[in-house]
Amino acid sequence: DTTVKQNPRYKLARVGKPVNLICSQTMNHDTMYWYQKKPNQAPKLLLFYYDKILNREADTFEKFQSSRPNNSFCSLYIGSAGLEYSAMYLCASSLLGGRDQDTQYFGPGTRLLVL
Amino acid sequence: SQLAEENLWALSVHEGESVTVNCSYKTSITALQWYRQKSGEGPAQLILIRSNEREKRNGRLRATLDTSSQSSSLSITATRCEDTAVYFCATDAWPNYNVLYFGSGTKLTVEP
Repeated sequence: DTTVKQNPRYKLARVGKPVNLICSQTMNHDTMYWYQKKPNQAPKLLLFYYDKILNREADTFEKFQSSRPNNSFCSLYIGSAGLEYSAMYLCASSLLGGRDQDTQYFGPGTRLLVL
Repeated sequence: SQLAEENLWALSVHEGESVTVNCSYKTSITALQWYRQKSGEGPAQLILIRSNEREKRNGRLRATLDTSSQSSSLSITATRCEDTAVYFCATDAWPNYNVLYFGSGTKLTVEP
């Protein structure tokens, strides 16, 4: 089973309120990723966990938090949502996480709308 | 600016025709991947081609990689309506070879 699950599929949030998105995989993959996807733009990597080590992209460092309580679950947390956070959030996982490119398995995404 | 980029924003063909999507990238890479995203789904990998490979096939799909010109192509033969999707190329970049940097995608429409 190569399924990555994301909850919820759709999320409506108010400006200034927190948002928590959940991702899970049962493939025992070492690495889990979060991307932000806006229409007609490239999926943009926000952060990734290699095992228990969190790596965040420099330009989104302060905007997004994450936790990985166990190998299967990973969350994406926005402390105070702004209109610019409206996007599709994609979670992915890969078996490897070291110095080698590997297949990433994506979930269906969570569509976040901030009003 | 993006590390990988497809050359066309959109493309349309009729069923049964062949089509090629092109991608250029900016850095030295260990591999390049092609993904397809259908409406309502997450991206799904089609092909991973490593820097020491020149061509890779997967059924009706064929990917090429030219490291000298830093470009790649994805060809689909005998297209079907269900090939309608956005096609992305993605590369890595030193030092995070397990991280992918995507292009904006080419929207392919296959018409009956």
